[in-house]
Amino acid sequence: SQKIEQNSEALNIQEGKTATLTCNYTNYSPAYLQWYRQDPGRGPVFLLLIRENEKEKRKERLKVTFDTTLKQSLFHITASQPADSATYLCARPHSGGGADGLTFGKGTHLIIQP
Amino acid sequence: DTAVSQTPKYLVTQMGNDKSIKCEQNLGHDTMYWYKQDSKKFLKIMFSYNNKELIINETVPNRFSPKSPDKAHLNLHINSLELGDSAVYFCAAGTPYEQYFGPGTRLTVT
Repeated sequence: SQKIEQNSEALNIQEGKTATLTCNYTNYSPAYLQWYRQDPGRGPVFLLLIRENEKEKRKERLKVTFDTTLKQSLFHITASQPADSATYLCARPHSGGGADGLTFGKGTHLIIQP
Repeated sequence: DTAVSQTPKYLVTQMGNDKSIKCEQNLGHDTMYWYKQDSKKFLKIMFSYNNKELIINETVPNRFSPKSPDKAHLNLHINSLELGDSAVYFCAAGTPYEQYFGPGTRLTVT
């Protein structure tokens, strides 16, 4: 089965620094990976999608990379702020894609300290 | 406007009862989903519906039955509730490339 592995332990980062979160996947490379943010008591919110043939994708202070050799995606938040504190989830298509939903990692709890 | 809404927000019930969770989306997407997030915060796909038709049922006990009366609604019925059903249930709508989640329903079975 396809798996997504994230370090679910809390990651503490000082405000202003760059936070880097790791997502590793097993078996074949998915056509794309997605990153979501989840705040306590709320549903996940879509942030970015990166396709297999894209090395890097940016959106404001966010940057995502996709390395098919390492079977890994990195998620970066530059100039981090306390408001960035949340759990960040990595996801891949559940099976062949289409309307099958997503397989999520357990998420990384990010804490930005003032 | 709320894109994906769920009711109720909280649901506390006893073992053996039957309950339903409602979900509505106003985004116009053909595909809706149900996910379960357990106490360890692991989010897992349960069902996927496309244009009112079941696409996947991901090894969910048949006590769980989704019902889609129209494209905007995907309700979840749970029969004979068990302690292990306690979790947060999320409805979502969208495409394979971007999904919009509801606020979740926290189900507690006592």
